Amino acid sequence: DTGVSQNPRHKITKRGQNVTFRCDPISEHNRLYWYRQTLGQGPEFLTYFQNEAQLEKSRLLSDRFSAERPKGSFSTLEIQRTEQGDSAMYLCASSPLTGGRTEAFFGQGTRLTVV
Amino acid sequence: AQSVAQPEDQVNVAEGNPLTVKCTYSVSGNPYLFWYVQYPNRGLQFLLKYITGDNLVKGSYGFEAEFNKSQTSFHLKKPSALVSDSALYFCAVRDMSQGNRDDKIIFGKGTRLHILP
Repeated sequence: DTGVSQNPRHKITKRGQNVTFRCDPISEHNRLYWYRQTLGQGPEFLTYFQNEAQLEKSRLLSDRFSAERPKGSFSTLEIQRTEQGDSAMYLCASSPLTGGRTEAFFGQGTRLTVV
Repeated sequence: AQSVAQPEDQVNVAEGNPLTVKCTYSVSGNPYLFWYVQYPNRGLQFLLKYITGDNLVKGSYGFEAEFNKSQTSFHLKKPSALVSDSALYFCAVRDMSQGNRDDKIIFGKGTRLHILP
């Protein structure tokens, strides 16, 4: 396994700008998750995919947030018109759909700072 | 909907003593349970999981966890704590009931473990 890769690792943006993050999951992992984590808190579920299909988007998530996984491989998370409250660590994880390994494997995250 | 509770924000343990980090869960069906650890400025690392079978599961770095169905708990334990165990620990649950399509992984708020030298 080469691991889950997230880019960029850090992003500083001005309020009102759009940002896009990329996640490359472990090869052949069907499931891909996006979470948001603020300092000292647990990962908050945002959305997840099975292959290219988006299974669920958190009801707490603003319409400014959108995610895609167009070919069932990498995924992007876009935040439009960023607000200071969007500042957080955005985590991506992947897991196989079947088999004994049901745990999620996490990337290092993208830290977003909105100024 | 599934949920996880970690009732302690912080746990302090002297080095060499046994440690326990508590976790309770709520799912409508069959739970898969996980523990993760996060060191400062690092991603989440998988420690161990319970799927089925023996209620006591062993994982990385000498950690183990005990699944208790009647108490809906999955407490993390270690017989002898090390200073290097100091980190943030997260419990997580996945509802793997047959036919259930809502099987996302949900995390608790985390417990900071502080091992005193």
